[in-house]
Amino acid sequence: QQPVQSPQAVILREGEDAVINCSSSKALYSVHWYRQKHGEAPVFLMILLKGGEQKGHEKISASFNEKKQQSSLYLTASQLSYSGTYFCGTEGTSGSRLTFGEGTQLTVNP
Amino acid sequence: SAVISQKPSRDICQRGTSLTIQCQVDSQVTMMFWYRQQPGQSLTLIATANQGSEATYESGFVIDKFPISRPNLTFSTLTVSNMSPEDSSIYLCSGYRGLHYGYTFGSGTRLTVV
Repeated sequence: QQPVQSPQAVILREGEDAVINCSSSKALYSVHWYRQKHGEAPVFLMILLKGGEQKGHEKISASFNEKKQQSSLYLTASQLSYSGTYFCGTEGTSGSRLTFGEGTQLTVNP
Repeated sequence: SAVISQKPSRDICQRGTSLTIQCQVDSQVTMMFWYRQQPGQSLTLIATANQGSEATYESGFVIDKFPISRPNLTFSTLTVSNMSPEDSSIYLCSGYRGLHYGYTFGSGTRLTVV
């Protein structure tokens, strides 16, 4: 079942923060986050495993609330290079196929 | 990160014909997958490419339409058969390299069926 992402789109000015949410109605083993720029392939950002782990990647971090089956991606002090579509992908069990959300289009303006 | 080479990058095909897309991954990839993505939309999994055996297809995708081969660990092909304009899309192969690197995607094949 496809996870639900929110918001669908967000527009920021450089330096502002943003949060993108991903939720599932099913129990999850892991949540993946990817960024895709226009005309390019998705690029891996991070994986979070069940257990409420929070991970960071430069100014981009994420959390996973296992009880709520929700993950949030935090973008701090956004840069122009952060623009793109962010997808979460979820796994129900280890090694199962990844199901992607509809994506969140992030635009960072100068 | 894993290197995935996918070709062709784009093609324009006549309806009723078939196109085979090739994907070469480096040796650290454990699992390979094929996705379809309409411009501006999410990625839809077509199938998991299994080495030396039949692919595992997702609901809505069948082997006769999308035959997949994976003769060894590092190479897979997806054929889009008897194409119609509805098959116009971007097709991406993907390889999984574990928790540190997640899924790496090929650059995609932009298919237009006329």
